[in-house]
Amino acid sequence: KQEVTQIPAALSVPEGENLVLNCSFTDSAIYNLQWFRQDPGKGLTSLLLIQSSQREQTSGRLNASLDKSSGRSTLYIAASQPGDSATYLCAVKAAGNEKLTFGTGTRLTIIP
Amino acid sequence: AAGVIQSPRHLIKEKRETATLKCYPIPRHDTVYWYQQGPGQDPQFLISFYEKMQSDKGSIPDRFSAQQFSDYHSELNMSSLELGDSALYFCASSFGGGGEETQYFGPGTRLLVL
Repeated sequence: KQEVTQIPAALSVPEGENLVLNCSFTDSAIYNLQWFRQDPGKGLTSLLLIQSSQREQTSGRLNASLDKSSGRSTLYIAASQPGDSATYLCAVKAAGNEKLTFGTGTRLTIIP
Repeated sequence: AAGVIQSPRHLIKEKRETATLKCYPIPRHDTVYWYQQGPGQDPQFLISFYEKMQSDKGSIPDRFSAQQFSDYHSELNMSSLELGDSALYFCASSFGGGGEETQYFGPGTRLLVL
């Protein structure tokens, strides 16, 4: 059974700093990995999707990497802003399945 | 750009009542997924449909059923509601059932069972 872990559970950093969020998964047989952002009580916003054949994806100040063999992904946020405060969830799609298996998320707070 | 639409956005029910949640996927998307997110929990997959056929099934209770209609919208029917069914229910859609596509999530329906 696929298990997805995100460490740390919560993170606070001053505005302007670069930061890295971590995601690990137990079964490397995945189709893709997605990073999402969720504001309190709100829906999920897809940030980046990395296919199993890719190593990284970039969108603006966000860069996500994938090391499938070691079961790890990182989300790098450059020059953090208060508006980046949210919970960040990673989710993997296993081969042969339709569903996404989510991690428990990292609650990020950017301090102005 | 058009997004996934869910209705209603909020729903309050009593125990043992029934509820129907609706999901309208992004135009031309043919796959819908349902997830349940309890308070402080990560989203848990319930069920998915591709081209109106059930394509995968997760931890969906027997009291729940779902279907996808000819216009690709989907409905999640929940009967004999329990307090533990209180959660945020997300629908997501994608194009193609091959496995490598991005899932786009709707804003969710918040269900409160009293």
